[in-house]
Amino acid sequence: GAVVSQHPSRVICKSGTSVKIECRSLDFQATTMFWYRQFPKQSLMLMATSNEGSKATYEQGVEKDKFLINHASLTLSTLTVTSAHPEDSSFYICSVRGPGGSSYEQYFGPGTRLTVT
Amino acid sequence: AQSVTQLGSHVSVSEGALVLLRCNYSSSVPPYLFWYVQYPNQGLQLLLKYTTGATLVKGINGFEAEFKKSETSFHLTKPSAHMSDAAEYFCAVTGRYEKLTFGTGTRLTIIP
Repeated sequence: GAVVSQHPSRVICKSGTSVKIECRSLDFQATTMFWYRQFPKQSLMLMATSNEGSKATYEQGVEKDKFLINHASLTLSTLTVTSAHPEDSSFYICSVRGPGGSSYEQYFGPGTRLTVT
Repeated sequence: AQSVTQLGSHVSVSEGALVLLRCNYSSSVPPYLFWYVQYPNQGLQLLLKYTTGATLVKGINGFEAEFKKSETSFHLTKPSAHMSDAAEYFCAVTGRYEKLTFGTGTRLTIIP
């Protein structure tokens, strides 16, 4: 499977500040990446689909102005949490859609733990 | 539309006993089915997947699952539990170019 990295793995920020999380596809060019959030002891919830060179598609209920997604290259997507609040504290996981014949698969990053104080 | 139901949010088995984690799905298109494992503060690791062909799928760490279309099920099994199997397990379904839909997860506890 593909190798996906996320940076940082853990971040603590103060309420009102912004934080950027990077997701990189290390071994193939990814036209589509996904961003999920996971609250403690819960399942993954899709936040948005990120397509290289175009605007992200957000799921219902996800504030696009708060969670800014940029997919500027075929190997990098970023999620910026703007004006973070304690309720934004969560585990954020990105994934990459597989290439060609594996397009039904997603390869997941290791996740980023965000804590807003 | 697609959905996944995982019966049992918590399952406890003794070390060496059979592991059975249940997953039922609903899909309006031919499904691709996955089982993932998640250890604390980590991402998801793919255990196994069903796409087409053989309905009994073998994965990593001794796990396997059987796709039963008539029962719309994709239960995960392992003949003999090991302490290292303690984790959260997620069943997921998708179709080609569809979103990946996750179940609510099953926390597996292994009793020494």
